[in-house]
Amino acid sequence: DQQVKQNSPSLSVQEGRISILNCDYTNSMFDYFLWYKKYPAEGPTFLISISSIKDKNEDGRFTVFLNKSAKHLSLHIVPSQPGDSAVYFCAASGYTGGTSYGKLTFGQGTILTVHP
Amino acid sequence: KAGVTQTPRYLIKTRGQQVTLSCSPISGHRSVSWYQQTPGQGLQFLFEYFSETQRNKGNFPGRFSGRQFSNSRSEMNVSTLELGDSALYLCASNREGVDEQFFGPGTRLTVL
Repeated sequence: DQQVKQNSPSLSVQEGRISILNCDYTNSMFDYFLWYKKYPAEGPTFLISISSIKDKNEDGRFTVFLNKSAKHLSLHIVPSQPGDSAVYFCAASGYTGGTSYGKLTFGQGTILTVHP
Repeated sequence: KAGVTQTPRYLIKTRGQQVTLSCSPISGHRSVSWYQQTPGQGLQFLFEYFSETQRNKGNFPGRFSGRQFSNSRSEMNVSTLELGDSALYLCASNREGVDEQFFGPGTRLTVL
């Protein structure tokens, strides 16, 4: 049962344009969402997060939007740069039965390629 | 401030052997979580430790175990290795009460 889904395995955009990465979740008990970027042979790097009490959070070129009614979040990167090319994971945390300590539930990732 | 460090970075073992992986969290972070990343299953939560106590555990067999020391450093152990245990094992640390976890570079385990 995949509780966090990233339905697009890959995304290709031109440098300078907007990249939009999408993520859907099924468990309404998730209350905090995070985006990570991962390069090959490295661990995930934290990018940006959002609490369920907000619908938008912005940090430089990165903005995350949360639509709780649709159980959907998206990451916008504007403008996209070739160095943004990586795998992007969305993750969620919150009470999901038992204890929730330390547990992030990850999507399968989206490979973003930004062409010069 | 130094990031999360993991040793070793690469390991090759054979079926039936056991392995121990080490993780040093960011200074001041007392919570340490472990994840397994495989191409088929993605990133999956193994367990979390805080103050030398396991507070949460994912859906992995008992062959996967861990511990945390008083300095917050953590180790995970996999006994009786199987081919399917080949994966990238990631350690992450965070401050208590903060959801953002910071990951180490991982240990690439190959089981032959």
